[in-house]
Amino acid sequence: NAGVTQTPKFRILKIGQSMTLQCTQDMNHNYMYWYRQDPGMGLKLIYYSVGAGITDKGEVPNGYNVSRSTTEDFPLRLELAAPSQTSVYFCASSYGQGTMPQHFGDGTRLSIL
Amino acid sequence: DAKTTQPNSMESNEEEPVHLPCNHSTISGTDYIHWYRQLPSQGPEYVIHGLTSNVNNRMASLAIAEDRKSSTLILHRATLRDAAVYYCILPGTYKYIFGTGTRLKVLA
Repeated sequence: NAGVTQTPKFRILKIGQSMTLQCTQDMNHNYMYWYRQDPGMGLKLIYYSVGAGITDKGEVPNGYNVSRSTTEDFPLRLELAAPSQTSVYFCASSYGQGTMPQHFGDGTRLSIL
Repeated sequence: DAKTTQPNSMESNEEEPVHLPCNHSTISGTDYIHWYRQLPSQGPEYVIHGLTSNVNNRMASLAIAEDRKSSTLILHRATLRDAAVYYCILPGTYKYIFGTGTRLKVLA
């Protein structure tokens, strides 16, 4: 079982560059989430989606965009990379909200120099 | 969303039980209590969740206070592989609020 797959695992960007972090899940989950985790800190929600075509902002959405054209995929886009976006990014999915466990990918380590 | 409070760190000897506490005094009647753990360089991993009754699974047990204002994650026999950050979470609508969790150190 693949679960939640994130690519790439590591990336270094220059300030001002753009990139897309990919996330795909094979569990037919409706709910998907993007988090970032800064060193020594807990995870913060960037964006989430409750189904294809539906997305909404989390705690820290500035500087990011998302789309959800299919149930399986939930890409996260950085348009103008800034050093403050250096972080580890985690994608997660769940069957439902609240009572349902979230399944996390292994993360993408992103450095902006 | 209700807030949780956990100790920053705890230590345990290998093969001994570990009790990880969590306070959630503002919990609502419909809030489930979830526990996750994060091993070094990995994404969070679901451990257990419950509403009112104590819960057991292959990884751990969850003891919930009668007034639901606190809970305890119990690892029955800690191993070196249990060294991780443990998060106690009360999922809000559509989202989890992750604090800094409890860093568990297991001593050989």
